[in-house]
Amino acid sequence: QKEVEQNSGPLSVPEGAIASLNCTYSDRVSQSFFWYRQYSGKSPELIMSIYSNGDKEDGRFTAQLNKASQYVSLLIRDSQPSDSATYLCARGDDKIIFGKGTRLHILP
Amino acid sequence: EPEVTQTPSHQVTQMGQEVILRCVPISNHLYFYWYRQILGQKVEFLVSFYNNEISEKSEIFDDQFSVERPDGSNFTLKIRSTKLEDSAMYFCASSGGGAYNEQFFGPGTRLTVL
Repeated sequence: QKEVEQNSGPLSVPEGAIASLNCTYSDRVSQSFFWYRQYSGKSPELIMSIYSNGDKEDGRFTAQLNKASQYVSLLIRDSQPSDSATYLCARGDDKIIFGKGTRLHILP
Repeated sequence: EPEVTQTPSHQVTQMGQEVILRCVPISNHLYFYWYRQILGQKVEFLVSFYNNEISEKSEIFDDQFSVERPDGSNFTLKIRSTKLEDSAMYFCASSGGGAYNEQFFGPGTRLTVL
């Protein structure tokens, strides 16, 4: 059973545009959802956490959670070349279950 | 800013040998985790540790694996008899707990089993 699903990409977005990353999950129990960024050969870096339905904004990042639809998304505004990475959607209240990640490529 | 550290950054070992991977979690964190990532695959949970005992472990974490917090700062993962398929990046993570369990990852140890 796949628990966290993401499109593997690559998703190519022009510099300055909005990048939209999506994720669905199958577990209705988890209360905590996360977006991690992972550069090639590096460890996951927590960029957003969200626990309640609706939007949560932090700088250029907005996470959206819809528990009824079991859907989480991440919007990156004013995309920069340094945003090029793999974005991991994850859920979990103790152990974290990760998706396979979406590769994002920002085109200069 | 406090961070999780791991040593060594790269470990090469022969099949059947024992390896110990070391982690220093963030100092005021109480929950500790090991994850692994085989090249090209997703990050997988191995084990969680709280109050000096294992809270949960995955199917991957069989009798060849063990964890220990030998002192107030270190958290170790031991693989008793390494197999070729143990080759992966191993990440340590720690959390301060609370309702939402944000976990912060160390830089990882790349384990290569020959």
